[in-house]
Amino acid sequence: DGGITQSPKYLFRKEGQNVTLSCEQNLNHDAMYWYRQDPGQGLRLIYYSQIVNDFQKGDIAEGYSVSREKKESFPLTVTSAQKNPTAFYLCASSISSGGKETQYFGPGTRLLVL
Amino acid sequence: ILNVEQSPQSLHVQEGDSTNFTCSFPSSNFYALHWYRWETAKSPEALFVMTLNGDEKKKGRISATLNTKEGYSYLYIKGSQPEDSATYLCASKGNKLVFGAGTILRVKS
Repeated sequence: DGGITQSPKYLFRKEGQNVTLSCEQNLNHDAMYWYRQDPGQGLRLIYYSQIVNDFQKGDIAEGYSVSREKKESFPLTVTSAQKNPTAFYLCASSISSGGKETQYFGPGTRLLVL
Repeated sequence: ILNVEQSPQSLHVQEGDSTNFTCSFPSSNFYALHWYRWETAKSPEALFVMTLNGDEKKKGRISATLNTKEGYSYLYIKGSQPEDSATYLCASKGNKLVFGAGTILRVKS
């Protein structure tokens, strides 16, 4: 089955710790995205990648980093610089990033701070 | 309108009721409007993508319309069923893709 997987489902972060959220897709999509959801707000774009070895900052990139070494994988690192990391994180992919293309989403990771 | 706004925030209806909700978006630099359905504990799934003023899309009991001149889209559900319970997200693509906060629909049997 083609799709997007995210792991872990829940992640706990201690103060000052960096944590990495995994996102893998086997849809052969070029574009991948990371969103953050907070209660009562729409999904906000953290980072996106249109092609391997290239990525761009979204609206709320501060305190986050990404890499895109393989087409299938787009991990997100939440660094200690992100002062309010508690949120639900969604990864998505699309064939391209023109704007009409449907995005396919993973099941999400909930990050909690201890 | 500078942001994408969805109303109502939540909606409770009885099984068999028809319902509709609204997505308002900036009409300038409009390119595409997306609707997604997000069931609890699942991933958001695409319902429709619309680009042209006056577009109407239908999938089973769910349909959507688009008015790009005034910047709104309606999503209609005819004869709501408990399995329609979900959060319905819209996203507007202008200079960038912006999501609304969603409308939470609960259908009681």
